[in-house]
Amino acid sequence: DAKTTQPTSMDCAEGRAANLPCNHSTISGNEYVYWYRQIHSQGPQYIIHGLKNNETNEMASLIITEDRKSSTLILPHATLRDTAVYYCIVRASTGANSKLTFGKGITLSVRP
Amino acid sequence: SAVISQKPSRDICQRGTSLTIQCQVDSQVTMMFWYRQQPGQSLTLIATANQGSEATYESGFVIDKFPISRPNLTFSTLTVSNMSPEDSSIYLCSVARSGANTEAFFGQGTRLTVV
Repeated sequence: DAKTTQPTSMDCAEGRAANLPCNHSTISGNEYVYWYRQIHSQGPQYIIHGLKNNETNEMASLIITEDRKSSTLILPHATLRDTAVYYCIVRASTGANSKLTFGKGITLSVRP
Repeated sequence: SAVISQKPSRDICQRGTSLTIQCQVDSQVTMMFWYRQQPGQSLTLIATANQGSEATYESGFVIDKFPISRPNLTFSTLTVSNMSPEDSSIYLCSVARSGANTEAFFGQGTRLTVV
């Protein structure tokens, strides 16, 4: 079973920031938070991951709460091409649990 | 990053037949995984392909139905055996390098339709 919970869907206006929440209250100390997205009919695309510090790359920012029980993926300036299903996944760094277990994800719709 | 090539990209097959899907990576990777994505659903892990040993299957998936090979660190195959219409799905290969803090990458998938 997936160890994360996400809202089913959300939308935002083009050019605005999209803030996608994720709860992972049972996360263990050696588990990372990963975000992937899947645009229709394509394979999942890696976005970002983090352990406990906030992370930023060219695609997005990841904000992890101090207790690590939740996180938020931020797309700073959403475009129509960001419309996709976004998956928040907790993943152990090594061993049998290093596999990625996908939940249902959140469908982000970016409107013009 | 890793570049993953999956073949075929799509196929339409008769029930009762088998299809072998290939996954080729442009560099050596430690971990290779096979996923299934049924229409309108999320991804479900089928198995971890282990180099030099039998694959590790997830609950609900068996070797007789989904035999997997992994002869080296850059190549794996998944066979969908004795197909039925319920096997119509997208099958995806994923790879990851060893060690902590490394992302996994996905191929574009094989869209299988069983008629």
